[in-house]
Amino acid sequence: DQQVKQNSPSLSVQEGRISILNCDYTNSMFDYFLWYKKYPAEGPTFLISISSIKDKNEDGRFTVFLNKSAKHLSLHIVPSQPGDSAVYFCAASENGGSQGNLIFGKGTKLSVKP
Amino acid sequence: DTGVSQNPRHKITKRGQNVTFRCDPISEHNRLYWYRQTLGQGPEFLTYFQNEAQLEKSRLLSDRFSAERPKGSFSTLEIQRTEQGDSAMYLCASGGIYGYTFGSGTRLTVV
Repeated sequence: DQQVKQNSPSLSVQEGRISILNCDYTNSMFDYFLWYKKYPAEGPTFLISISSIKDKNEDGRFTVFLNKSAKHLSLHIVPSQPGDSAVYFCAASENGGSQGNLIFGKGTKLSVKP
Repeated sequence: DTGVSQNPRHKITKRGQNVTFRCDPISEHNRLYWYRQTLGQGPEFLTYFQNEAQLEKSRLLSDRFSAERPKGSFSTLEIQRTEQGDSAMYLCASGGIYGYTFGSGTRLTVV
């Protein structure tokens, strides 16, 4: 039973356009959500997070939206750059972002074409 | 702050052998996590330390797996009697107030 689902294995967008990566979850106890980016042969790198008390968090080109009623979150990257090409993982936690374990989705591979 | 360091980066071992991986966390982080990632999957939680205390273990962590964190600093993950299904990337992360920092991982190949 997958508690965090990323249903799109891959996404291709043109440089300068918006990239939208989606994530759904099933566990209503999750209260903290994170996005990580992973390049080949490297560990995941933290991108942005959001607490369940918010519905939006923005950091530069990255914005995460949370819709608790739909148990859905999305990561928007605007504008997309070729260096954004990587695998993006959505993750969730029941204990806030600083404790306990994270449950990860399977990832979405983003390709940004020049 | 030199980040989370994992050694070795790669390990090839024969089935049935024991292997040990090391993780050096960010020095001021008192939480340390081990995850495993296989091809096409996201990282899966294995175990978690708060200082030297192992607070949580996943059911993925079979009896052949053992993790330690003596003195609350570096951690080791040992796999005994390796099986081909153990082939994966083993990721270590350390946690501060605002979330995790992952190391680059140890890629284990069991032949």
